[in-house]
Amino acid sequence: EAGVAQSPRYKIIEKRQSVAFWCNPISGHATLYWYQQILGQGPKLLIQFQNNGVVDDSQLPKDRFSAERLKGVDSTLKIQPAKLEDSAVYLCASSLVTQQGAGEQYFGPGTRLTVT
Amino acid sequence: SQELEQSPQSLIVQEGKNLTINCTSSKTLYGLYWYKQKYGEGLIFLMMLQKGGEEKSHEKITAKLDEKKQQSSLHITASQPSHAGIYLCGADKGNFGNEKLTFGTGTRLTIIP
Repeated sequence: EAGVAQSPRYKIIEKRQSVAFWCNPISGHATLYWYQQILGQGPKLLIQFQNNGVVDDSQLPKDRFSAERLKGVDSTLKIQPAKLEDSAVYLCASSLVTQQGAGEQYFGPGTRLTVT
Repeated sequence: SQELEQSPQSLIVQEGKNLTINCTSSKTLYGLYWYKQKYGEGLIFLMMLQKGGEEKSHEKITAKLDEKKQQSSLHITASQPSHAGIYLCGADKGNFGNEKLTFGTGTRLTIIP
């Protein structure tokens, strides 16, 4: 079974530039998550989709971050314009819908973003 | 909001020794998840605990959730180089249908040969 795919793996941009990340979840997983992990910290949820609808985006900086999951499969996360503090690893995860809480989430390898 | 505190922040252990990592919550844990992360990679699911007093084992790793469901420990027996990495605990908010996890800051484990 193929895992969660993410691209690119690494990205270096200058501040005020734009960047986009792509995620392809495990086939059949209805729930998709984007996390931001700053060096030395645990992952912080940015946005959660169930199919193509947003379940939670309370921690997404909406003035500069946007995400979409058209057709309920692949997802893209965009930052425009980027700031220095956006330097982090952006992790995508997916999971099956469950009635027993969060359940096991499957993570992609992440995209390491450096903003200079 | 729920906060998870992990201790220690980092741990250096000689190969073959046992070790314990702790995860403490400010609120009751409805679901506690342990993940492992290697540098440059995503998180790998280890175990999930839901019931007070629950204990689960996988190979040489044992995780426990205390009776009050506010603290969990991860114990590794006879550590090996393959155990090196960052261990993260994650907590479920407990509202079924809201599958959101809050993570601790992680414990970096180094195994010395």
